[in-house]
Amino acid sequence: AQSVTQPDIHITVSEGASLELRCNYSYGATPYLFWYVQSPGQGLQLLLKYFSGDTLVQGIKGFEAEFKRSQSSFNLRKPSVHWSDAAEYFCAVAFSNDYKLSFGAGTTVTVRA
Amino acid sequence: DVKVTQSSRYLVKRTGEKVFLECVQDMDHENMFWYRQDPGLGLRLIYFSYDVKMKEKGDIPEGYSVSREKKERFSLILESASTNQTSMYLCASSPPALYEQYFGPGTRLTVT
Repeated sequence: AQSVTQPDIHITVSEGASLELRCNYSYGATPYLFWYVQSPGQGLQLLLKYFSGDTLVQGIKGFEAEFKRSQSSFNLRKPSVHWSDAAEYFCAVAFSNDYKLSFGAGTTVTVRA
Repeated sequence: DVKVTQSSRYLVKRTGEKVFLECVQDMDHENMFWYRQDPGLGLRLIYFSYDVKMKEKGDIPEGYSVSREKKERFSLILESASTNQTSMYLCASSPPALYEQYFGPGTRLTVT
């Protein structure tokens, strides 16, 4: 069965600093990869997705992610964090012929002034 | 924009009560999903549905059932609520042949 690992439970970053959130998945097939963000008390919002093609994908709110097949990773980055980026971030994976998503446990991001 | 709505943001029920959580989507999506979200565990799939009157078990179906009588509505039912079902419940929908899911705001259920 596929699994998704987000190694960092909690990250604290200063406003204006860069941010990188890690995501690794296990399974042999080509994955469909997603990052979602959940602000406090809200549902999940899609930040970006990777299906095929260019392995560096751009998303909303200034986020980007890079798919590295050799490392089974799909790390999320933002060059300069804003206070409004404080939220919980979830990596998710799906595989062909299965519309279900498998989610990581999430990474909580705290932004300090 | 896709809109997924859930009937309640907050709900408090007593142990043993029958609980209904309603989800409605307005984009004619075939696929609908129910998850529960717990700290440190991420989202876990309870049930999903590919079409009206179709349902399949997810990873943690025990203690839950679902109903999908109309395409836009997917209900999660707790037949006899227990304290270990206190959680955040999220509904999602997606169109066929696409994997990205659109989420509702969630229902925080407390069972006392």
